[in-house]
Amino acid sequence: GAVVSQHPSRVICKSGTSVKIECRSLDFQATTMFWYRQFPKQSLMLMATSNEGSKATYEQGVEKDKFLINHASLTLSTLTVTSAHPEDSSFYICSADLTSGRSLYGEQFFGPGTRLTVL
Amino acid sequence: QKEVEQNSGPLSVPEGAIASLNCTYSDRGSQSFFWYRQYSGKSPELIMSIYSNGDKEDGRFTAQLNKASQYVSLLIRDSQPSDSATYLCAVNPNEFSGGYNKLIFGAGTRLAVHP
Repeated sequence: GAVVSQHPSRVICKSGTSVKIECRSLDFQATTMFWYRQFPKQSLMLMATSNEGSKATYEQGVEKDKFLINHASLTLSTLTVTSAHPEDSSFYICSADLTSGRSLYGEQFFGPGTRLTVL
Repeated sequence: QKEVEQNSGPLSVPEGAIASLNCTYSDRGSQSFFWYRQYSGKSPELIMSIYSNGDKEDGRFTAQLNKASQYVSLLIRDSQPSDSATYLCAVNPNEFSGGYNKLIFGAGTRLAVHP
């Protein structure tokens, strides 16, 4: 149980284009999902918290107009990187919180990640 | 500013030895603590969770929590080369802002197990 998938696993795009990344909880309903970014040899950086049916909550310094988050259902959250530039190249990882359904303690289960390369 | 501190390492141990990873946290009200393992180029994988003081064992892994001293540790017995990874400590500061739990992650400790 507690399986989270992400699609695509890897994407290469040209500068100025937009890229959409999907995060799905496969065997549970996730009221809350989280989006992280990780640069090489650095730790996870929380970008935003995605709540089903409401607006995402962004961390300080993260541009909400550049990183669009939509959590339209209890099993799907999407992150769209708009007008991507080379400095947006990174490893994007989503996670889902079991609190909504099966846990009171806040375990997060991570998807496999999406490696974005912007040329 | 709530913080989670870990020694970045690398921690190098011989195969078969016990690897000891440590983590301290700043928020005394924190209630839930987690250890994640992250292999290079992969996403983090939850390996241990602990909520009360003392030890919790799962196979070769033992998590230890001391809330009074605000530290949590992970012991890996009979270390194997396949255990070589970065281990992330995560703390739930119990902030219910908007109804969700947000974890605070440490920067991770890189473990290298050599044959």
